[in-house]
Amino acid sequence: GQNIDQPTEMTATEGAIVQINCTYQTSGFNGLFWYQQHAGEAPTFLSYNVLDGLEEKGRFSSFLSRSKGYSYLLLKELQMKDSASYLCAVTTDSWGKLQFGAGTQVVVTP
Amino acid sequence: EAGVTQFPSHSVIEKGQTVTLRCDPISGHDNLYWYRRVMGKEIKFLLHFVKESKQDESGMPNNRFLAERTGGTYSTLKVQPAELEDSGVYFCASSQSLAGDTQYFGPGTRLTVL
Repeated sequence: GQNIDQPTEMTATEGAIVQINCTYQTSGFNGLFWYQQHAGEAPTFLSYNVLDGLEEKGRFSSFLSRSKGYSYLLLKELQMKDSASYLCAVTTDSWGKLQFGAGTQVVVTP
Repeated sequence: EAGVTQFPSHSVIEKGQTVTLRCDPISGHDNLYWYRRVMGKEIKFLLHFVKESKQDESGMPNNRFLAERTGGTYSTLKVQPAELEDSGVYFCASSQSLAGDTQYFGPGTRLTVL
């Protein structure tokens, strides 16, 4: 079967760093996305990795290792507004269909 | 630039009734996707349109679900007749290109079947 696994919930303090891991086992691989979703809102795009390595974008960075089927999203200098669900999603073909993990709820405390 | 919009935001219907969800993608986006999140589960793919053509409908649960995209602009997803297990949040997303291009999501329609 195909699996995309990520932790259910993580808690961190304002100003700290949190790393959300995602492991995947899929029949193909054509890229990995991270989305942020606040309750009741649309998922919003954070990052895209298709080659191994680190992609940095401001306070957010995403890493990919295709050989290990592993990615992480790093959130630095946490702010209260970063409290949200973070979704890991893999596209396995050229048509863009996304397969999602269940999401990681990040709770930022003062 | 207007984002992806969905209507209605919420719908509460009784089992056996019909409901039609609408999605307006970002203007100029040829690709339109429907996804669904059932409570406690991950977001799952339903189907994909390229312009007005169904490219992949492998995620459609059964023949009670019918999606259309006449003219290659907005799309509708009709559930007829609705069952209790159809409750969930239905998301629409659109993109310009394909695998590597960002999909922009709408806020979703929360469907409750009683």
